Amino acid sequence: AQSVTQLDSHVSVSEGTPVLLRCNYSSSYSPSLFWYVQHPNKGLQLLLKYTSAATLVKGINGFEAEFKKSETSFHLTKPSAHMSDAAEYFCVLNQGGKLIFGQGTELSVKP
Amino acid sequence: GAGVSQSPSNKVTEKGKDVELRCDPISGHTALYWYRQSLGQGLEFLIYFQGNSAPDKSGLPSDRFSAERTGGSVSTLTIQRTQQEDSAVYLCASSLTQAGSYNEQFFGPGTRLTVL
Repeated sequence: AQSVTQLDSHVSVSEGTPVLLRCNYSSSYSPSLFWYVQHPNKGLQLLLKYTSAATLVKGINGFEAEFKKSETSFHLTKPSAHMSDAAEYFCVLNQGGKLIFGQGTELSVKP
Repeated sequence: GAGVSQSPSNKVTEKGKDVELRCDPISGHTALYWYRQSLGQGLEFLIYFQGNSAPDKSGLPSDRFSAERTGGSVSTLTIQRTQQEDSAVYLCASSLTQAGSYNEQFFGPGTRLTVL
């Protein structure tokens, strides 16, 4: 069965420090992976997607993620957190069009 | 251009009543999806439509849930005899095609359903 596990339910960082949100996946096939962000009272927005063209994927707002097949991971990073990054982040596996969501990681950014 | 829209934004109903939730996808998008976001279960797939093909209903939690898509555009999700555990945010998404694994799904703002 295909699944996604986000290893942290909550991450807190200070503004200007790096962000790391961890995601592991389980898939029988070459996976199609995404990161979505959900700001309070807003809809889900795509941050980036892994398409197998490159293992390091760059997304919007300075976020990037690295696909590591050997570790079955797709961790999301950002070099320097901004207050506006505070939101919930979802690692998502595409299973033939149906999205399988991780449980989400809430990111808090302290001034 | 206009994104995915959903109505109503909030719905409060009494246990046992039927409710209808509406989704207007992005014009030209052939695939439409429904998801549910609840505190206990996170985000779950419910159903998707692709063109004129039979919908994939594999995520519907019970036969009280049904959905239709008229004219390949607007979709309605119906919940009959609502229960308190149906309380959640119901999200609709659309994409250009379903067949490609990498196609981005664009999400609407959701309908928050509260069953009293």
